[in-house]
Amino acid sequence: GAVVSQHPSRVICKSGTSVKIECRSLDFQATTMFWYRQFPKQSLMLMATSNEGSKATYEQGVEKDKFLINHASLTLSTLTVTSAHPEDSSFYICSAMTPGQGLYNEQFFGPGTRLTVL
Amino acid sequence: DAKTTQPTSMDCAEGRAANLPCNHSTISGNEYVYWYRQIHSQGPQYIIHGLKNNETNEMASLIITEDRKSSTLILPHATLRDTAVYYCIVRVARGYSTLTFGKGTMLLVSP
Repeated sequence: GAVVSQHPSRVICKSGTSVKIECRSLDFQATTMFWYRQFPKQSLMLMATSNEGSKATYEQGVEKDKFLINHASLTLSTLTVTSAHPEDSSFYICSAMTPGQGLYNEQFFGPGTRLTVL
Repeated sequence: DAKTTQPTSMDCAEGRAANLPCNHSTISGNEYVYWYRQIHSQGPQYIIHGLKNNETNEMASLIITEDRKSSTLILPHATLRDTAVYYCIVRVARGYSTLTFGKGTMLLVSP
């Protein structure tokens, strides 16, 4: 299957700082990428949908000014957590959607980024 | 997207078949059944998907009932590395609909 990478895999930061997480599709061009968040012992929750060259679409309850998403190229989307606080500590996972081949647009997931805010 | 119901947890002995059920009684005619799994602290991994016919790949088999209201994911020879949370998701494959994750089934494979 298609490969999606995330960087960094783990980050620890102080409260009030900003953290940037990168998501790359390594062997395909992804016009659409998704960002999920997962708290301990909970399921993945979609935060936003990112389309290359346009503004991201955020899910209800997700602050767009706090979670800045940039999808500047067909292989890279970034999520910046601005002024991070301890409650933002979570596992952040991106996924990239393959270009349609016939009927199918499949999603492949990155390995995730563990954010800890002290 | 239609909702799914899965058991919270299941156990399986190593080397035996693991059969994971999923109910999706409100599935629409254009919705596919997808299975993903998530090993602890990793991103979800695609396993298999199908519309109405049974499907098999190198990882698993997917059995969908004739009325499409339920399905079963079968791991024919479970190994310890198959311990994970398994998610059954129904989704329209055409277009750019996203995946909505429920709570899934925690499968524990024991020696």
